[in-house]
Parts: sequence; C-alpha cells; structure tokens
Amino acid sequence: GQQLNQSPQSMFIQEGEDVSMNCTSSSIFNTWLWYKQDPGEGPVLLIALYKAGELTSNGRLTAQFGITRKDSFLNISASIPSDVGIYFCAGRGGADGLTFGKGTHLIIQP
Amino acid sequence: DAGVIQSPRHEVTEMGQEVTLRCKPISGHDYLFWYRQTMMRGLELLIYFNNNVPIDDSGMPEDRFSAKMPNASFSTLKIQPSEPRDSAVYFCASRPGTLGVTFGSGTRLTVV
Repeated sequence: GQQLNQSPQSMFIQEGEDVSMNCTSSSIFNTWLWYKQDPGEGPVLLIALYKAGELTSNGRLTAQFGITRKDSFLNISASIPSDVGIYFCAGRGGADGLTFGKGTHLIIQP
Repeated sequence: DAGVIQSPRHEVTEMGQEVTLRCKPISGHDYLFWYRQTMMRGLELLIYFNNNVPIDDSGMPEDRFSAKMPNASFSTLKIQPSEPRDSAVYFCASRPGTLGVTFGSGTRLTVV
C-alpha cells in the first residue's frame, strides 16, 4: 500500500521559534492535507492542498504541495504554547481514503 | 453544526464481548470513514461509505469487524467477539465531495 514518511517524529522548540515538518510518499497523491490532534480529540484539518506546487497559508501556518506530488511540508511561524500537539500529514491518491503519516509531536519548552 | 458525533466516548469491555460503536456524520456529507488509531500503527482506514454504500472495506482487520450505514445520518462499527488487540481509539469522519474529512472525537476502546 501507499506509505507516508513524516519527519521529524518529535520537535522540542522554544516559544517564538519557527517550525518545519514534512512528508514524503512512495507514490503520487492528488491531495495533501495537514491535521493537528490535541489529546483526547480527533484530528482537526489545518490546511488542504489540491494542486501540485500549491502554496497555502492559514494564519501562521503555511503548507506546500510538492511539484512532484510526492511530498508536502508544513511551516509554523512564531510558535505559541497552543501549537503543542501532534501534526499529521495525509495524502489521497486514486482512492477516496486518506493515508496518514505517523505524526510529528510538537513540544514547546518554556 | 454539531460536527461528527461519536458514542460512546469510552468503552471498556471483556474479551469475547460484542462492541458497537456509533457515528452520526455531518448533515450533507456523502462520505463516511471509520479509522483506528494505535501507537504502533498510527491512523488506519478501516472502511468507508459513499451515499450509505460501503466502497472499500479492505482495511477491516478480519471477519470479527463489520460496519453498516443504514441511512445518511447513522453508521455503526461492530466487533464480535472483541479481543485485547482491538484496544485502540476508533474515529469516525465524514466529508462532502472531495474536500478534507472532519473527524469525530473518537471512541477509546479497551478490551480486557
């Protein structure tokens, strides 16, 4: 099946720092999505990308759909405490279901 | 909009018992998905429906798992008989057309 490699697995940063995480795939996706999950809750959609090369922002978040359609990155600028959580990339190829990465745990140190 | 509603939030059951998880998708969403999340395997797609019809159940672990969607506003995921390795958080999600899915808050299942 399709595989998504998400990195890094975890990040320990200081408040105010910028964050960057990415996902790579062994196959082509038509859609890339980025989700955030807080403890005890389901993942919440942050950004959706539908076209190769697309660069989309949502407040302090910016994500790009790689031109090869096999990768995507998410940047968070000027991190704040509420950014703590697990970030997941997800891709959709020919089928309708999403393939998820294993997640990036973001921890912000005081 | 109340979002995707799942019940129960937590379920603890003994091995061998039947477990039924319930989901109410967002009104107007024609796709419904069931996912399972574990530390080891992350988020895995179990099955999804389009207009109440099961489209792909290749992610269902084995015959002990079954899912139904009798109408556009309700779906169930049943495990019979349950086993300790079924312990996980089960998420229901829905979406309209080709947009991103919206997840429910999940059901944390513990089989002892």
